[in-house]
Amino acid sequence: GQQVMQIPQYQHVQEGEDFTTYCNSSTTLSNIQWYKQRPGGHPVFLIQLVKSGEVKKQKRLTFQFGEAKKNSSLHITATQTTDVGTYFCAGGDMDTGRRALTFGSGTRLQVQP
Amino acid sequence: DGGITQSPKYLFRKEGQNVTLSCEQNLNHDAMYWYRQDPGQGLRLIYYSQIVNDFQKGDIAEGYSVSREKKESFPLTVTSAQKNPTAFYLCASSTGAQGQAKNIQYFGAGTRLSVL
Repeated sequence: GQQVMQIPQYQHVQEGEDFTTYCNSSTTLSNIQWYKQRPGGHPVFLIQLVKSGEVKKQKRLTFQFGEAKKNSSLHITATQTTDVGTYFCAGGDMDTGRRALTFGSGTRLQVQP
Repeated sequence: DGGITQSPKYLFRKEGQNVTLSCEQNLNHDAMYWYRQDPGQGLRLIYYSQIVNDFQKGDIAEGYSVSREKKESFPLTVTSAQKNPTAFYLCASSTGAQGQAKNIQYFGAGTRLSVL
């Protein structure tokens, strides 16, 4: 079945440093979504990418979808303490038509003030 | 106030006991999902339902059961067959309709289940 892997599992940065998390799928994705889960909270939708090579920005966050639609990345410029949390990617599977997302294992971001 | 309500927030299960987690949504969404999250891990899909009176097994359905008798409700029963039920359980919904937004997930606040 489809597998979605995320690296790194954990990253600790100083406030103001940049951060990137990578997501790789074993199958071609119809779309990729990113979610953020604050400590003790529930995942909250950030963005969806649909097109091959798509790049979207939300303030300091930049999201990319690979040309082959099998990988994605989230880059945060100049991290702030409010960025603390776990970031998940979730992919829709184009090959099998499974009508549910597969979530990556997440990257936990810690920001040192 | 639209959203997804999960109850209870905390639940304790005795050995050999079945427990049911509630999930209600007033977003008029067709699709609903149950996920399990273990400490430091991602979300694993237990069951999902695209429409009333229909549901499909996810990746870790063994030891769980669901029903979808109403559009608004998708309760999850953790049966005694689930030998390691301690986890954070998240319910989500999406429109399920055609179009790009169809599977954007809206999550409830979750239920933490522990075994006594």
